[in-house]
Amino acid sequence: QSVLTQPPSVSGAPGQRVTISCTGSSSNIGAGYDVHWYQQLPGTAPKLLIYGNSNRPSGVPDRFSGSKSGTSASLAITGLQAEDEADYYCQSYDSSLSGFVFGTGTKVTVL
Amino acid sequence: QVQLQESGPGLVKPSDTLSLTCAVSGYSISSSNWWGWIRQPPGKGLEWIGYIYYSGSTYYNPSLKSRVTMSVDTSKNQFSLKLSSVTAVDTAVYYCARINEDRGVSNWFDPWGQGTLVTVSS
Repeated sequence: QSVLTQPPSVSGAPGQRVTISCTGSSSNIGAGYDVHWYQQLPGTAPKLLIYGNSNRPSGVPDRFSGSKSGTSASLAITGLQAEDEADYYCQSYDSSLSGFVFGTGTKVTVL
Repeated sequence: QVQLQESGPGLVKPSDTLSLTCAVSGYSISSSNWWGWIRQPPGKGLEWIGYIYYSGSTYYNPSLKSRVTMSVDTSKNQFSLKLSSVTAVDTAVYYCARINEDRGVSNWFDPWGQGTLVTVSS
C-alpha cells in the first residue's frame, strides 16, 4: 500500500528538464523524515539515485537532483537522455507504520 | 563491495509458506545496519515487507505482520524471510537490501539484491 503519491508518467524530449513530485503526509515527509529516490531500469532491481533529500551517491550524474519542502519532495532530471527512461520511486519513513513507505512510481519516457 | 543475493523456491503452492534467504557478501551482517525485504508484484510498485537487526529485532509491515517472520544467521552472514498462507496476490519479485541510516530521520535501501521471482500457483 503506497502512501506517497507520484504522477504515473512524465515525458520529455532529449535535453529537456522533467520533474517528478512525491506527495506525502504529516506522518512521513511532513514529520521531518528524509526522502530518497530510486531508479528502476526495465527488468532490473531498483538503484539508489538520491538519498537524504538531495544527496547523490558516487557515480550518479549531477543531472539528477532532489529537493524537499513541507509534505512533498521532487526529483529533477536535467538534460534528459535516452538512458534515463525508467521507473522512478520515492521512499520515506512513516511514523504511524513504524516502517518504510514507497511512492506509487513514475515512468519517465524520453520522446 | 557489498553484494546481496536472494535465493529460494521460485514456485510456491497456495496456502504454503514462502521461504527466502538473502546472503550478504563483502560486509558483516553484524555491523550497525538493519536489513530489509521489499517486494514488487509484476507490473506494480514496491512494497516494504519488514526489516531485521543482527540481534534479531524486527519490524513488519502491519498489512503483512500476521504472516511474516524474519530471522538472521550471523554465522552464515545471511538473513531470511518466511511468509505463510500465501495466495496468488503474494506473487512478486522479492528483494533484500541493506538499510542505511543517518541522524535517525533518514533511512534508505542500498544496495539491493537482484531480486527473485516467486510465483504462487498450484
